[in-house]
Amino acid sequence: AQSVAQPEDQVNVAEGNPLTVKCTYSVSGNPYLFWYVQYPNRGLQFLLKYITGDNLVKGSYGFEAEFNKSQTSFHLKKPSALVSDSALYFCAVRDIEGAGSYQLTFGKGTKLSVIP
Amino acid sequence: DAGITQSPRYKITETGRQVTLMCHQTWSHSYMFWYRQDLGHGLRLIYYSAAADITDKGEVPDGYVVSRSKTENFPLTLESATRSQTSVYFCASSEEGVSSYEQYFGPGTRLTVT
Repeated sequence: AQSVAQPEDQVNVAEGNPLTVKCTYSVSGNPYLFWYVQYPNRGLQFLLKYITGDNLVKGSYGFEAEFNKSQTSFHLKKPSALVSDSALYFCAVRDIEGAGSYQLTFGKGTKLSVIP
Repeated sequence: DAGITQSPRYKITETGRQVTLMCHQTWSHSYMFWYRQDLGHGLRLIYYSAAADITDKGEVPDGYVVSRSKTENFPLTLESATRSQTSVYFCASSEEGVSSYEQYFGPGTRLTVT
């Protein structure tokens, strides 16, 4: 079975400071990893993904994430936070070698608040 | 417009009534998914479809029925709605390929069962 943990329900950061939203995963095989963002009353928007290759992945709106296989982590980062980054962030995983390997399993989400 | 749409966006219904939530995508993606979002649970997969006429259960399928007669449509039916099915429902689609795999989500349907 695959699972995702987002250990922080909420992260607060001052505008202009770097931000990190944490994600750890568990799969039996190799993972595909994703980050999504959700603004109020909206659907989820895809931010970035790790499939293979370089462990540092760059995505939309200046976000990046680092895949760390030994720590089974995929933390989302941004060098300088904007107030407009305030939203709900979801990490998701696929076990590409498991049964039902096209299914995504989501974490419970982390609410990011960027303080002006 | 291209993309994935859901209707209705908001729905209030009574316990025991049948409700159908619609999902339509214009990308011709093979895969389509239905999720429900509840506070404290994140998103949970209800049903998915790999192609027209191919559907299968996800994590929380009880009380729901799906069909997929056309690639672009994937309706979700609550045969006899219960209060525990009050939730926000999201439809998503994806394509499998070297540069794909991510799912694209619709705007959601907020369903209240009274």
